[in-house]
Amino acid sequence: DGGITQSPKYLFRKEGQNVTLSCEQNLNHDAMYWYRQDPGQGLRLIYYSQIVNDFQKGDIAEGYSVSREKKESFPLTVTSAQKNPTAFYLCASSTGRDYTGELFFGEGSRLTVL
Amino acid sequence: GQNIDQPTEMTATEGAIVQINCTYQTSGFNGLFWYQQHAGEAPTFLSYNVLDGLEEKGRFSSFLSRSKGYSYLLLKELQMKDSASYLCAATDSNYQLIWGAGTKLIIKP
Repeated sequence: DGGITQSPKYLFRKEGQNVTLSCEQNLNHDAMYWYRQDPGQGLRLIYYSQIVNDFQKGDIAEGYSVSREKKESFPLTVTSAQKNPTAFYLCASSTGRDYTGELFFGEGSRLTVL
Repeated sequence: GQNIDQPTEMTATEGAIVQINCTYQTSGFNGLFWYQQHAGEAPTFLSYNVLDGLEEKGRFSSFLSRSKGYSYLLLKELQMKDSASYLCAATDSNYQLIWGAGTKLIIKP
């Protein structure tokens, strides 16, 4: 079955550590996105990529980094520079590069900083 | 600034009808999405409206008025499994998605 796979589902991190969240899709979608979701707030865009080897900062990119070396993969690294990293992280993909098509989401990764 | 407003929480009874409203203010407009999100899970697509009017899809319908910057999601014959958050999102003139904070819908027997 086609879809998006995120891992790990739950992750605990000590302050000062970098962590990488994995996102893999087999939908052959060009565009991929990383969102952060906090209670009582709308989804906030961290980074997005519309094509391999290219990505753009979203609204809250500070303290995060990404890569897009393969069409199927778009990992997100939460660095120690991110001041408040505890959140639910969602990866998504779409066929179109202009948000006219629906987003397909992974199951999410919940990061807790201890 | 750009903004999406929707109620924080709503309660309805199993078998009834509920309407979840969404108002938006964006720089330009290119469409409006509704997504359903069960607690701790990923959002799933419900509908996409570009033109004014009502679009029906089974028990769910979505309405859009571009002139009023207003949309609603109508859920009929409510079932317990409809308990979830419903997210409204609008695309602006640059095709960027602006998300609302979501409406938590509680269904009571």
